[in-house]
Amino acid sequence: EAGVAQSPRYKIIEKRQSVAFWCNPISGHATLYWYQQILGQGPKLLIQFQNNGVVDDSQLPKDRFSAERLKGVDSTLKIQPAKLEDSAVYLCASSFGQLFYEQYFGPGTRLTVT
Amino acid sequence: AQSVTQPDIHITVSEGASLELRCNYSYGATPYLFWYVQSPGQGLQLLLKYFSGDTLVQGIKGFEAEFKRSQSSFNLRKPSVHWSDAAEYFCAVGAKDNFNKFYFGSGTKLNVKP
Repeated sequence: EAGVAQSPRYKIIEKRQSVAFWCNPISGHATLYWYQQILGQGPKLLIQFQNNGVVDDSQLPKDRFSAERLKGVDSTLKIQPAKLEDSAVYLCASSFGQLFYEQYFGPGTRLTVT
Repeated sequence: AQSVTQPDIHITVSEGASLELRCNYSYGATPYLFWYVQSPGQGLQLLLKYFSGDTLVQGIKGFEAEFKRSQSSFNLRKPSVHWSDAAEYFCAVGAKDNFNKFYFGSGTKLNVKP
């Protein structure tokens, strides 16, 4: 079975620029998660989707971050405008149900903001 | 509030030696506890989980962990480390009554000496 796919794997941008990340979950997985992992820290949940609806976005900085999951499959996470502190690895994960411990993680996108 | 502490940022062990990675949690009731491994360029992979019952849980790749309620700990162990175990290890805690999120520790990076 194919795993969670993410692209790009690496991205370098200047501050105040915009960036978008893409995630394709495992086929049939209704729940999709985006995490931010800053160097030296554990992943922090940004947003959780159930199909194409948002379940939890309490830790998403909504003034600059947005995410969507059209048609309940692929998802994009956007940052506009980026700040230096957004430098991190952005992980996407998916699960069949809403049991967070059944998540499968993608390889992540490493963002560097200069 | 839930929290997870991994007191060791880096650990180096010799190949063939035993390993113990520490994890302490703070949570008011019985937590769900997990260990994940993250190899360079790879997504997080679940090693093992504890929900209830036997406090010694077996996971993949020869890892085990022991839940000690009195010490609020969930330490990860392996009797004989292989060079391929070099990676970063994350402990995580989830709430039994909140399936929407869980919290990762800051990770322990394991180096294995030949």
